[in-house]
Amino acid sequence: QVQLRESGPGLVEPSGTLSLTCAVSGASITSENYWGWIRQSPGKGLEWIGDIYHTVITNYNPSLKSRVTISVDKSKNQFSLKLSSVTAADTAIYYCAKNEDYWGQGILVTVSS
Amino acid sequence: EIVLTQSPATLSLSPGERATLSCRASQGVGNFLAWYQQKPGQAPRLLISDASNRAADIPARFSGSGSGTDFTLTITSLEPEDFAVYYCHQRSNRPPYTFGQGTKVEIK
Repeated sequence: QVQLRESGPGLVEPSGTLSLTCAVSGASITSENYWGWIRQSPGKGLEWIGDIYHTVITNYNPSLKSRVTISVDKSKNQFSLKLSSVTAADTAIYYCAKNEDYWGQGILVTVSS
Repeated sequence: EIVLTQSPATLSLSPGERATLSCRASQGVGNFLAWYQQKPGQAPRLLISDASNRAADIPARFSGSGSGTDFTLTITSLEPEDFAVYYCHQRSNRPPYTFGQGTKVEIK
Protein backbone atom coordinates (compact mmCIF):
# COMPACT_ATOMS: atom_id res chain seq x y z
CA GLN A 1 0.00 0.00 0.00
CA VAL A 2 1.56 3.27 -1.11
CA GLN A 3 1.41 6.06 1.44
CA LEU A 4 2.62 9.64 1.24
CA ARG A 5 2.90 12.11 4.10
CA GLU A 6 3.69 15.81 3.86
CA SER A 7 5.59 17.63 6.56
CA GLY A 8 7.00 21.09 7.12
CA PRO A 9 6.22 24.46 8.69
CA GLY A 10 2.60 25.50 8.70
CA LEU A 11 3.50 29.19 8.79
CA VAL A 12 5.94 31.00 6.51
CA GLU A 13 6.75 34.69 6.52
CA PRO A 14 6.18 36.79 3.40
CA SER A 15 9.23 36.86 1.09
CA GLY A 16 10.52 33.69 2.74
CA THR A 17 10.88 30.18 1.34
CA LEU A 18 8.26 27.49 1.78
CA SER A 19 9.90 24.08 2.29
CA LEU A 20 7.93 20.84 2.42
CA THR A 21 8.89 17.19 2.42
CA CYS A 22 6.90 14.18 1.29
CA ALA A 23 7.84 10.87 2.90
CA VAL A 24 6.99 7.85 0.75
CA SER A 25 6.29 4.32 1.93
CA GLY A 26 5.25 1.30 -0.09
CA ALA A 27 7.14 2.42 -3.20
CA SER A 28 10.68 3.41 -4.09
CA ILE A 29 11.34 7.02 -4.93
CA THR A 30 13.69 5.75 -7.67
CA SER A 31 10.94 3.78 -9.42
CA GLU A 32 9.48 4.99 -12.71
CA ASN A 33 6.78 7.23 -11.31
CA TYR A 34 5.99 10.92 -11.29
CA TRP A 35 6.33 12.43 -7.82
CA GLY A 36 4.55 15.72 -7.71
CA TRP A 37 3.05 18.60 -5.78
CA ILE A 38 -0.42 20.11 -6.12
CA ARG A 39 -1.92 22.89 -4.05
CA GLN A 40 -5.46 23.97 -3.29
CA SER A 41 -6.63 27.39 -2.21
CA PRO A 42 -10.14 28.85 -2.02
CA GLY A 43 -9.32 31.47 -4.59
CA LYS A 44 -7.60 29.36 -7.23
CA GLY A 45 -8.91 25.84 -6.72
CA LEU A 46 -6.53 22.99 -7.50
CA GLU A 47 -3.22 24.04 -9.03
CA TRP A 48 -0.54 21.69 -10.34
CA ILE A 49 2.87 22.89 -9.12
CA GLY A 50 5.25 20.40 -10.69
CA ASP A 51 6.74 16.95 -10.55
CA ILE A 52 9.97 14.97 -10.78
CA TYR A 53 10.65 11.79 -12.74
CA HIS A 54 13.60 9.43 -12.74
CA THR A 55 14.83 11.41 -9.69
CA VAL A 56 16.19 14.26 -11.82
CA ILE A 57 13.75 15.19 -14.60
CA THR A 58 11.53 18.01 -13.45
CA ASN A 59 8.44 19.68 -14.86
CA TYR A 60 7.15 22.91 -13.36
CA ASN A 61 4.09 25.07 -13.80
CA PRO A 62 5.35 28.02 -15.88
CA SER A 63 3.53 30.41 -13.58
CA LEU A 64 5.69 29.24 -10.65
CA LYS A 65 8.80 28.02 -12.44
CA SER A 66 11.07 30.87 -11.38
CA ARG A 67 10.34 30.15 -7.70
CA VAL A 68 9.98 26.35 -7.52
CA THR A 69 12.43 23.52 -6.95
CA ILE A 70 11.44 19.86 -6.56
CA SER A 71 14.11 17.36 -5.61
CA VAL A 72 14.53 13.79 -4.39
CA ASP A 73 16.40 12.38 -1.39
CA LYS A 74 17.00 8.75 -2.30
CA SER A 75 18.55 7.88 1.05
CA LYS A 76 15.33 8.83 2.86
CA ASN A 77 12.88 7.76 0.13
CA GLN A 78 11.32 11.20 0.06
CA PHE A 79 11.00 14.23 -2.15
CA SER A 80 10.71 17.90 -1.39
CA LEU A 81 9.27 21.19 -2.56
CA LYS A 82 10.84 24.61 -2.18
CA LEU A 83 8.91 27.72 -3.17
CA SER A 84 10.76 31.00 -2.76
CA SER A 85 9.62 34.61 -2.39
CA VAL A 86 6.23 33.60 -1.04
CA THR A 87 3.29 35.95 -0.64
CA ALA A 88 -0.18 35.60 0.85
CA ALA A 89 -1.29 34.22 -2.52
CA ASP A 90 0.78 31.10 -1.81
CA THR A 91 -1.37 30.25 1.22
CA ALA A 92 -2.94 26.88 0.44
CA ILE A 93 -3.18 23.22 1.30
CA TYR A 94 -0.21 21.50 -0.32
CA TYR A 95 -0.51 17.88 -1.45
CA CYS A 96 2.19 15.52 -2.61
CA ALA A 97 1.24 12.73 -4.99
CA LYS A 98 2.53 9.71 -6.87
CA ASN A 99 1.42 9.73 -10.50
CA GLU A 100 -1.52 11.79 -9.25
CA ASP A 101 -3.20 8.54 -8.21
CA TYR A 102 -1.94 8.31 -4.62
CA TRP A 103 -2.07 11.55 -2.64
CA GLY A 104 -0.92 12.60 0.81
CA GLN A 105 -3.46 13.97 3.24
CA GLY A 106 -2.26 17.54 2.63
CA ILE A 107 -0.68 20.21 4.78
CA LEU A 108 -1.97 23.72 5.27
CA VAL A 109 0.68 26.38 4.78
CA THR A 110 -0.16 29.96 5.67
CA VAL A 111 1.98 32.87 4.53
CA SER A 112 1.79 35.59 7.13
CA SER A 113 3.96 37.69 9.38
CA GLU B 1 -2.65 26.80 -20.96
CA ILE B 2 -5.52 24.37 -21.40
CA VAL B 3 -8.62 25.51 -19.54
CA LEU B 4 -11.05 22.88 -18.28
CA THR B 5 -14.64 24.04 -17.81
CA GLN B 6 -16.91 21.87 -15.71
CA SER B 7 -20.69 21.99 -15.75
CA PRO B 8 -22.89 22.35 -13.93
CA ALA B 9 -21.26 24.06 -10.95
CA THR B 10 -23.76 22.37 -8.65
CA LEU B 11 -25.92 19.32 -9.21
CA SER B 12 -28.80 18.74 -6.79
CA LEU B 13 -29.98 15.14 -6.85
CA SER B 14 -31.49 12.48 -4.63
CA PRO B 15 -29.92 9.15 -3.69
CA GLY B 16 -30.58 6.60 -6.39
CA GLU B 17 -30.66 9.17 -9.18
CA ARG B 18 -28.22 9.32 -12.08
CA ALA B 19 -25.55 12.04 -12.13
CA THR B 20 -23.98 13.31 -15.34
CA LEU B 21 -21.03 15.69 -15.02
CA SER B 22 -19.35 17.44 -17.93
CA CYS B 23 -15.80 18.64 -18.50
CA ARG B 24 -14.86 20.59 -21.61
CA ALA B 25 -11.25 21.38 -22.58
CA SER B 26 -10.24 24.55 -24.41
CA GLN B 27 -8.14 22.41 -26.75
CA GLY B 28 -7.79 18.71 -27.37
CA VAL B 29 -6.23 16.59 -24.64
CA GLY B 30 -6.58 13.19 -26.31
CA ASN B 31 -7.70 10.83 -23.57
CA PHE B 32 -5.34 12.27 -20.94
CA LEU B 33 -8.20 13.20 -18.65
CA ALA B 34 -8.82 12.09 -15.08
CA TRP B 35 -11.69 12.52 -12.64
CA TYR B 36 -11.33 12.98 -8.89
CA GLN B 37 -13.76 13.00 -5.98
CA GLN B 38 -13.10 15.21 -2.98
CA LYS B 39 -14.91 15.24 0.35
CA PRO B 40 -14.46 17.95 3.02
CA GLY B 41 -11.14 17.72 4.80
CA GLN B 42 -9.83 15.01 2.48
CA ALA B 43 -7.44 14.85 -0.42
CA PRO B 44 -8.88 14.27 -3.88
CA ARG B 45 -9.35 10.58 -4.70
CA LEU B 46 -8.73 9.29 -8.20
CA LEU B 47 -11.85 7.78 -9.77
CA ILE B 48 -11.11 7.61 -13.48
CA SER B 49 -7.86 7.86 -15.46
CA ASP B 50 -7.28 8.07 -19.21
CA ALA B 51 -10.87 9.26 -19.65
CA SER B 52 -12.53 5.91 -19.01
CA ASN B 53 -10.39 3.61 -16.84
CA ARG B 54 -11.75 3.12 -13.33
CA ALA B 55 -9.08 3.28 -10.66
CA ALA B 56 -8.56 0.45 -8.22
CA ASP B 57 -11.44 -0.17 -5.79
CA ILE B 58 -13.74 2.33 -7.51
CA PRO B 59 -17.32 1.01 -7.76
CA ALA B 60 -18.74 0.17 -11.17
CA ARG B 61 -21.44 2.84 -10.82
CA PHE B 62 -18.73 5.38 -11.75
CA SER B 63 -17.87 5.59 -15.44
CA GLY B 64 -16.03 8.03 -17.66
CA SER B 65 -16.29 8.71 -21.36
CA GLY B 66 -15.12 11.12 -24.01
CA SER B 67 -11.97 12.16 -25.83
CA GLY B 68 -10.48 15.28 -27.32
CA THR B 69 -12.35 18.19 -25.75
CA ASP B 70 -15.55 16.75 -24.28
CA PHE B 71 -15.69 14.37 -21.35
CA THR B 72 -18.39 13.00 -19.07
CA LEU B 73 -18.41 11.39 -15.65
CA THR B 74 -21.53 9.36 -14.95
CA ILE B 75 -22.66 7.99 -11.62
CA THR B 76 -25.47 5.60 -12.45
CA SER B 77 -27.21 5.50 -9.06
CA LEU B 78 -26.06 7.89 -6.36
CA GLU B 79 -25.17 6.43 -3.00
CA PRO B 80 -25.10 8.65 0.13
CA GLU B 81 -21.29 8.60 0.13
CA ASP B 82 -21.14 9.98 -3.45
CA PHE B 83 -22.22 13.50 -2.47
CA ALA B 84 -18.99 15.42 -2.86
CA VAL B 85 -17.09 17.70 -5.22
CA TYR B 86 -15.77 16.26 -8.49
CA TYR B 87 -12.83 17.60 -10.48
CA CYS B 88 -11.50 16.82 -13.90
CA HIS B 89 -7.76 17.08 -14.62
CA GLN B 90 -5.70 16.94 -17.80
CA ARG B 91 -2.11 15.83 -18.31
CA SER B 92 -1.70 16.18 -22.03
CA ASN B 93 1.51 17.01 -23.91
CA ARG B 94 3.18 19.70 -21.81
CA PRO B 95 2.78 21.72 -18.61
CA PRO B 96 0.92 23.31 -17.07
CA TYR B 97 -1.40 20.44 -16.26
CA THR B 98 -4.70 21.87 -15.18
CA PHE B 99 -7.84 21.11 -13.17
CA GLY B 100 -11.42 22.11 -13.69
CA GLN B 101 -13.14 24.31 -11.13
CA GLY B 102 -15.24 21.45 -9.80
CA THR B 103 -18.85 20.26 -9.74
CA LYS B 104 -20.53 19.89 -6.38
CA VAL B 105 -23.02 17.04 -6.19
CA GLU B 106 -25.38 17.85 -3.34
CA ILE B 107 -28.38 16.15 -1.82
CA LYS B 108 -31.66 17.53 -3.10
